[in-house]
Amino acid sequence: DTGVSQNPRHKITKRGQNVTFRCDPISEHNRLYWYRQTLGQGPEFLTYFQNEAQLEKSRLLSDRFSAERPKGSFSTLEIQRTEQGDSAMYLCASSLAGSTEKLFFGSGTQLSVL
Amino acid sequence: AQSVTQLDSHVSVSEGTPVLLRCNYSSSYSPSLFWYVQHPNKGLQLLLKYTSAATLVKGINGFEAEFKKSETSFHLTKPSAHMSDAAEYFCVVSDLIKAAGNKLTFGGGTRVLVKP
Repeated sequence: DTGVSQNPRHKITKRGQNVTFRCDPISEHNRLYWYRQTLGQGPEFLTYFQNEAQLEKSRLLSDRFSAERPKGSFSTLEIQRTEQGDSAMYLCASSLAGSTEKLFFGSGTQLSVL
Repeated sequence: AQSVTQLDSHVSVSEGTPVLLRCNYSSSYSPSLFWYVQHPNKGLQLLLKYTSAATLVKGINGFEAEFKKSETSFHLTKPSAHMSDAAEYFCVVSDLIKAAGNKLTFGGGTRVLVKP
């Protein structure tokens, strides 16, 4: 499978714990995006990388959220001290920069905070 | 800021009948607009994209959408629904961000039910 891969598919955690999600983009894609989708809503933009540089992170929901893409390939999204309101689907997308940019989305990581 | 509004949260159609999903957008300039589909347990898939070329855009699986600037609308249609069209559909507008990245703003979604 050469699509965008996200792990784990599901994560259940207790309030206050830290969680980390991983996204493996399509191999030649230099752009990587993180989105969050809550029940009954459309996805909401969180942050964006071009290669290893995080170019837009103003939409990260609080300082408990952080994302990295250390070698310009896979990315991780970490949530520290999780809260029940963090329960959502976290989506990753990748693309190749260009005038006809097309985003390819992964299946997401479903987070449940108890 | 750009935004999109999907006018129906749920649409129910019979197999073989037309599908209409309504979307209105708000933008201070000529927008890039998209429709995405999300099937259960699958990633979002691009159906079609408008970027100021032809106002009638054809997409995959027989879907098409028409950009109407005077009505600020970008409605999605399909002449004949198939059972496999049951999914959630999102109307999306794109903002350019740093280094010409694309920040997508999604509507609230329309869930389509197809009855046999």
